[in-house]
Formats: sequence, C-alpha cells, structure tokens
Amino acid sequence: AAGVIQSPRHLIKEKRETATLKCYPIPRHDTVYWYQQGPGQDPQFLISFYEKMQSDKGSIPDRFSAQQFSDYHSELNMSSLELGDSALYFCASSLNGGSAREQYFGPGTRLTVT
Amino acid sequence: AQSVAQPEDQVNVAEGNPLTVKCTYSVSGNPYLFWYVQYPNRGLQFLLKYITGDNLVKGSYGFEAEFNKSQTSFHLKKPSALVSDSALYFCAVRDGPMDSSYKLIFGSGTRLLVRP
Repeated sequence: AAGVIQSPRHLIKEKRETATLKCYPIPRHDTVYWYQQGPGQDPQFLISFYEKMQSDKGSIPDRFSAQQFSDYHSELNMSSLELGDSALYFCASSLNGGSAREQYFGPGTRLTVT
Repeated sequence: AQSVAQPEDQVNVAEGNPLTVKCTYSVSGNPYLFWYVQYPNRGLQFLLKYITGDNLVKGSYGFEAEFNKSQTSFHLKKPSALVSDSALYFCAVRDGPMDSSYKLIFGSGTRLLVRP
C-alpha cells in the first residue's frame, strides 16, 4: 500500500539558510499535518491543512511557512535557519479531516543546521 | 487542554513475558486515544486507537490496549514480548476539532527493551 512520502530524507543547512521540505500524502487523503521531533523529544505539532486550506496552527515559528497544493502535496518552508531547528520533521496524512481516523506518518526529514 | 502522560522512560522485559507500557490521559470530553511505535530513524507507525465501544482494543503486531475511564488510563499490552518489539512507544490524544483538523498531542515516549 502507498505510504506518505517525504523528501528529502536528510538535509544539511547552515545557519541563516533556507530549507524546503516536501510531503506527498497517501492518495485520497485530504489532510496533512506537520510535526517536529527534537532529539529525545516527542513530536510537536506545527501546522495542518485540510482541503488545501490551513486548518490549525501549533508552535510553528514565524520563520516557517507551509502550504498544501492542488494535488494535496504539502511543502514546509523554513527560513533564517537556527541551530535549534535541527530536528526530525514528520508529515502525516489522514482522510476526511481525520476526526476519528488515525494519521499515517512519513519516514521524516532529518534536518541538521550547522 | 488535552494531554497524555507516560510515566516510564523505559520498560525492560524478557522475551516471552507479558509487557505493559503505561499511559494516562487528561481530556475534556470523550477521549480519542492512539498508540504509535517508532523504530530508530523511522517514522511513527500506527498500532491501535480507542474511539468508543469495547474497552479492550486490539491492534497490529499482537498489541492491545485497555481503556479505563475511572483510572483515565490507556495502557498498551502484549501477552508475549518479542525482541523485535524493542522500540520507542508513544501514546497520543486527539486534540480538536479545529476546522476539521485533529492534531495529535503526544506523550513523552517510553522506550521498550526486550532482552532475549
């Protein structure tokens, strides 16, 4: 079965650079969530999209932005990167707003900021 | 605010023995609870969920969880542990609704170590 695809899997950037993370949800899933997992931490919700509209916002820095496109894929744009942005970034998708449905997670993008 | 707590950082169990990974929750309204497992350098894999109905929920890989409303707990269990079960386990609660978004709030995670 098709899973959530994230690219790239690994990314190394320097401070103050920009990064773009991409997420391709499971086909027919209409909701995408982004989470950030710092070293030894639990995943923290950043932002979500339902039917291409932002549906919720968590602890996402103003330096970050995201969007969901017409084909339902999503991109997380990160600017003015800081050392503290080094983390594993997960995308998850679900169907029909995910009211009682589980979220399916991608393998994550490991971002290292040097 | 919705929250879950996992009181144990690590659980050690011998292969073949039963295992329990603990989770307690604090929610307003009816809880929607989930268990996910994370293997090293991998994403989170869904194990099981409680929405409503039977208090004993069966999931993937032989795992099950017992929902206890009076104790506000949702402990993960398996009758016979395997070495391959060694991983990081997260309990999560659904937080929402917010315009059809139901983000997950995760516990701090419990590392399960099954020794041969």
